[in-house]
Amino acid sequence: DSGVTQTPKHLITATGQRVTLRCSPRSGDLSVYWYQQSLDQGLQFLIQYYNGEERAKGNILERFSAQQFPDLHSELNLSSLELGDSALYFCASSVGGGAGAGTDTQYFGPGTRLTVL
Amino acid sequence: AQSVAQPEDQVNVAEGNPLTVKCTYSVSGNPYLFWYVQYPNRGLQFLLKYITGDNLVKGSYGFEAEFNKSQTSFHLKKPSALVSDSALYFCAVRPVNNAGNMLTFGGGTRLMVKP
Repeated sequence: DSGVTQTPKHLITATGQRVTLRCSPRSGDLSVYWYQQSLDQGLQFLIQYYNGEERAKGNILERFSAQQFPDLHSELNLSSLELGDSALYFCASSVGGGAGAGTDTQYFGPGTRLTVL
Repeated sequence: AQSVAQPEDQVNVAEGNPLTVKCTYSVSGNPYLFWYVQYPNRGLQFLLKYITGDNLVKGSYGFEAEFNKSQTSFHLKKPSALVSDSALYFCAVRPVNNAGNMLTFGGGTRLMVKP
């Protein structure tokens, strides 16, 4: 158990809908990262938050957004869902996230499996 | 931009034999390198990382990896494979000067250890 929790484990929804994925980082970790794992795209970085602020952005669609709250948990919002958004969404956390934190290990949660029908 | 290649989709090895899972990378400057393992219906588990120093890095569950700068490789190894090592293995890279600290992953290699 990495100490990173994600809810829900599974989510089944229809095209056009909106969902929210939740992540709680390990105790003491200030950074939260979101990754998408799909069969055709592999594991791709979406976005990072560090102590409440957006730190880096990857291949995240405009229909997707995220935020990190004062208690450091994070939510990933996916809207106007399409069939191609079906994937496993991982959250990871690390202690740092600012400059000089590149050596930090990212610890991954169990993921949320999203199925869009 | 950085990239990671895992040239083998699947590696088959007999239990008790040594195993190698290959990884090559491309980054500007020096890299930080990581290996993760994913068991079915589970998240990624951290195995080991190379930051600096000794090119041979030892990690969890008896795994080790060798950093080779001239060949831009970071192959994962284990002297004696177990059936329980069967899983999906991912190599990842982060450039030293990457302000955002995000990881770039390879496509993954499925390791099958047969009794």
